[in-house]
Amino acid sequence: NAGVTQTPKFRILKIGQSMTLQCTQDMNHNYMYWYRQDPGMGLKLIYYSVGAGITDKGEVPNGYNVSRSTTEDFPLRLELAAPSQTSVYFCASSYSTGAQISGNTIYFGEGSWLTVV
Amino acid sequence: AQKVTQAQTEISVVEKEDVTLDCVYETRDTTYYLFWYKQPPSGELVFLIRRNSFDEQNEISGRYSWNFQKSTSSFNFTITASQVVDSAVYFCALSVNTNAGKSTFGDGTTLTVKP
Repeated sequence: NAGVTQTPKFRILKIGQSMTLQCTQDMNHNYMYWYRQDPGMGLKLIYYSVGAGITDKGEVPNGYNVSRSTTEDFPLRLELAAPSQTSVYFCASSYSTGAQISGNTIYFGEGSWLTVV
Repeated sequence: AQKVTQAQTEISVVEKEDVTLDCVYETRDTTYYLFWYKQPPSGELVFLIRRNSFDEQNEISGRYSWNFQKSTSSFNFTITASQVVDSAVYFCALSVNTNAGKSTFGDGTTLTVKP
């Protein structure tokens, strides 16, 4: 019952460093997402993917990159870390036929706390 | 553009009280989906419910109930006989397409249930 697994759980980065947040799911979901959650705020979508090889920008994509080479994995790359990227990051997945949402439960990872100093 | 407003930033109740969390949304789309999520102190997010715009039936699940009113663009969440374990941040979200994860989230309501 792994569900959505993201690593690392905590990380401190220096300004200008790069890192990758890993996300993997074992539910054979076609849709995967990356969000960030700033203090006292709701989630904002960074990038999403509707299937292997397909990615698209969300609401706040600047400073991030993603790839989706397999159904299971959806890593998020921060190229040049900035203090504004200090946040909690959530990976999520869901299954959808695209026709309509039916039973479209979204499963979230446990979150990754990132601090850029 | 879509917008979700959760006007109550924080609510504090005593155990066994009923509590309603408000959610007001804005969209010009006629087909949309509304969600509620729970984020307990441990930080993970838990999906609670999805409601389609064409289904205004209220829903009850144990101590949880949801009241969807298109006339007032509201999707309120009521917890009956609250318990300490209900303490969490609750988020309301809106999606205008079938990609449920591509939602607009409210800023959340922090519910504290005191023993």
